[in-house]
Amino acid sequence: SQKIEQNSEALNIQEGKTATLTCNYTNYSPAYLQWYRQDPGRGPVFLLLIRENEKEKRKERLKVTFDTTLKQSLFHITASQPADSATYLCALLFTGGGNKLTFGTGTQLKVEL
Amino acid sequence: DTAVSQTPKYLVTQMGNDKSIKCEQNLGHDTMYWYKQDSKKFLKIMFSYNNKELIINETVPNRFSPKSPDKAHLNLHINSLELGDSAVYFCASSQDWGQGYGNTIYFGEGSWLTVV
Repeated sequence: SQKIEQNSEALNIQEGKTATLTCNYTNYSPAYLQWYRQDPGRGPVFLLLIRENEKEKRKERLKVTFDTTLKQSLFHITASQPADSATYLCALLFTGGGNKLTFGTGTQLKVEL
Repeated sequence: DTAVSQTPKYLVTQMGNDKSIKCEQNLGHDTMYWYKQDSKKFLKIMFSYNNKELIINETVPNRFSPKSPDKAHLNLHINSLELGDSAVYFCASSQDWGQGYGNTIYFGEGSWLTVV
């Protein structure tokens, strides 16, 4: 079965630095990969989508890369701010997987002043 | 306007009771979902409906029964609640079932169920 791994330990960084979160998966390649943000007590909110034939996607201070050879996606937040503190989830849709989006367990990011 | 709304937000109930969680989306989406997030924050799909038709039914005890009266509503009824059912249940929707739109999921705010 598919396995999606995100850093289970919280990531603490200083304001202004770039935060980099990883998402690794095993077995089959996904048709696309998404990143979501989840704040405490709230539902996940969609941030970015990247397809299997794309290497990189950007949106404002966010950048996602997708390496299907390494089976890894990196999620970068540049010029991080305390307001970026949240849990970030990656989610993958695997071809032939019945169109079910499978989520990782998320990485908690804390941006400190 | 809330895109995906679910009620109640908090629910504390005793073992053996039956409870329902209601969900409505005003996005005009065709597909709706129920996800369960456990204490370790793992978000797992339970059910999905497309235009009122059940299309995903994961390995969920049959004490859980979804009902979709129309494509804007997807309710979750749980019979004979057990301690292990304590979790956060998220309702969600997406534009359609296909991959063309990337299947972006819009989540509700969650319903915190505690079984005592």
